[in-house]
Amino acid sequence: AQSVAQPEDQVNVAEGNPLTVKCTYSVSGNPYLFWYVQYPNRGLQFLLKYITGDNLVKGSYGFEAEFNKSQTSFHLKKPSALVSDSALYFCAVSRMDSSYKLIFGSGTRLLVRP
Amino acid sequence: DGGITQSPKYLFRKEGQNVTLSCEQNLNHDAMYWYRQDPGQGLRLIYYSQIVNDFQKGDIAEGYSVSREKKESFPLTVTSAQKNPTAFYLCASSIGTTNTGELFFGEGSRLTVL
Repeated sequence: AQSVAQPEDQVNVAEGNPLTVKCTYSVSGNPYLFWYVQYPNRGLQFLLKYITGDNLVKGSYGFEAEFNKSQTSFHLKKPSALVSDSALYFCAVSRMDSSYKLIFGSGTRLLVRP
Repeated sequence: DGGITQSPKYLFRKEGQNVTLSCEQNLNHDAMYWYRQDPGQGLRLIYYSQIVNDFQKGDIAEGYSVSREKKESFPLTVTSAQKNPTAFYLCASSIGTTNTGELFFGEGSRLTVL
């Protein structure tokens, strides 16, 4: 069965410090991996995706993610956190069956303190 | 601007009543989706539609119904058979039906059953 795990419910970081939000996955075949961000009472916004190619993927708002096949991970990173980055972050993996459906992780709340 | 519009943003319902959530998109996307979001559980797929007049059940379809009579519209009805309907409902769409494309989300509808 395909799944994605976000082991941390919350990540706290000081503004200006680097941040990492962790994601691991389990999928048969090649995974397609995504990160989304959600601000309070809003819909999700796409940040970045890994389909194939370079393991380091760059996305919106200065975020990047590193695909690590041996560790089955796709951690989200940013070199310097901003208070405005505080939000709920979701990792997702695409299913390998005939229809297009995403499996979402449970989400990680990022809190950036001034 | 193109996007996805969900209405109403907030809705209160008495037990035993059906309620319909609206989702309209002007992105000319073929595929549309309904997700349910509960705290700490990520997003779960209720129904999805890859083409007009066709839709498939997702992981938690019981107690819900949908229609797709027009490409732009994908309304969700929460019926009285849904045992725990209080949740945040998100509509999304995607270009085509591949599993490598990102989802575009609406702002969500929060349903509270009194």
